[in-house]
Amino acid sequence: KNEVEQSPQNLTAQEGEFITINCSYSVGISALHWLQQHPGGGIVSLFMLSSGKKKHGRLIATINIQEKHSSLHITASHPRDSAVYICAVRLYNFNKFYFGSGTKLNVKP
Amino acid sequence: DTEVTQTPKHLVMGMTNKKSLKCEQHMGHRAMYWYKQKAKKPPELMFVYSYEKLSINESVPSRFSPECPNSSLLNLHLHALQPEDSALYLCASSQGTTGLNYGYTFGSGTRLTVV
Repeated sequence: KNEVEQSPQNLTAQEGEFITINCSYSVGISALHWLQQHPGGGIVSLFMLSSGKKKHGRLIATINIQEKHSSLHITASHPRDSAVYICAVRLYNFNKFYFGSGTKLNVKP
Repeated sequence: DTEVTQTPKHLVMGMTNKKSLKCEQHMGHRAMYWYKQKAKKPPELMFVYSYEKLSINESVPSRFSPECPNSSLLNLHLHALQPEDSALYLCASSQGTTGLNYGYTFGSGTRLTVV
């Protein structure tokens, strides 16, 4: 069983749609990261969360520590949002991430 | 400077070659990491350096040899690699080494092809 489960694995949306990607984890964590990776490219850290909610532009990330669940929302999606979105959790007192398998998002014009 | 810089961006090497990947950051981060990522898979941790000392080695074959000459620089020396080692190699750094950490930053990666 993976320590981090993401859903959905693949997501196709029309431009302008509201998108939600979910992440559930089973271990105690110090922080959860949402990462973005474009095809063939490196990884950009979008958010680091330890509680509550963060917003950056059209992106919103929430975390519920009790339920061990986080969501990434994209409002008014755009084709340039097409990428793989990865949830990663950092164990407390360990210098290690567990990564989800990623959600491949394709936003069509 | 808020970046992790990796060089080269692309590398093709033969199985008998010796090459090195380089990673550099000037954010004052004291932890640096090497990850390996195969196509359509999440990154896999290889090594962690904390305060220039190797703290985690995830059972990586000895043909991969990390080196941290100073707090800003992390190298990955490659020797006698196999075609299955072809992957994207990502470097990352972070401010701290335990607990809540801020500023976890990834480089853009080196795309390695072993022929």
